[in-house]
Amino acid sequence: KQEVTQIPAALSVPEGENLVLNCSFTDSAIYNLQWFRQDPGKGLTSLLLIQSSQREQTSGRLNASLDKSSGRSTLYIAASQPGDSATYLCAVGRGNKLVFGAGTILRVKS
Amino acid sequence: DTAVSQTPKYLVTQMGNDKSIKCEQNLGHDTMYWYKQDSKKFLKIMFSYNNKELIINETVPNRFSPKSPDKAHLNLHINSLELGDSAVYFCASSQAGTGGTTTNEKLFFGSGTQLSVL
Repeated sequence: KQEVTQIPAALSVPEGENLVLNCSFTDSAIYNLQWFRQDPGKGLTSLLLIQSSQREQTSGRLNASLDKSSGRSTLYIAASQPGDSATYLCAVGRGNKLVFGAGTILRVKS
Repeated sequence: DTAVSQTPKYLVTQMGNDKSIKCEQNLGHDTMYWYKQDSKKFLKIMFSYNNKELIINETVPNRFSPKSPDKAHLNLHINSLELGDSAVYFCASSQAGTGGTTTNEKLFFGSGTQLSVL
């Protein structure tokens, strides 16, 4: 059974800092890994999708890496801004469904 | 224009009641899903429909019955509501029928329905 763990559960940083969110999964037989952003009272927005054959993906200030053999992924956010404050969810895809972690609550203070 | 919309946003009801949550997507996607986010914030898939056909049915009590009148709509009906049903329910859609696990597929989520059973 696939289990996805995200560390830390919550993170508070001053504006401008670079930060790393961690995601680990127990079964390395995945098709892809996705990072989502969830804002309070809103749905999830897909940020980055890494195929199982890829090592990383970048979008703007976001960079996600994937080490399938060790069951780990990191989401790197450069030069954080207050608008980055949200919950970040990691999800691994296998078969025909996604398995989500519980998320990291990020607060960027101005 | 909202891509995936679900109503109501909040639903407060008594134990034993029957309620429905509606979902509509205007993206032209073939597949729609229902996810449940519990108090620990874990999102778990409940159902998925592809072109009105049930594809995924996780171990969900049969009090939960999805209905897809057409591929743009997937409603969730819940009978005999219980306290443990309290959660946030998210509707989602995607183009292909693989639940977001193909190479370039992304899921588009609605804003959620917070269900509180008293």
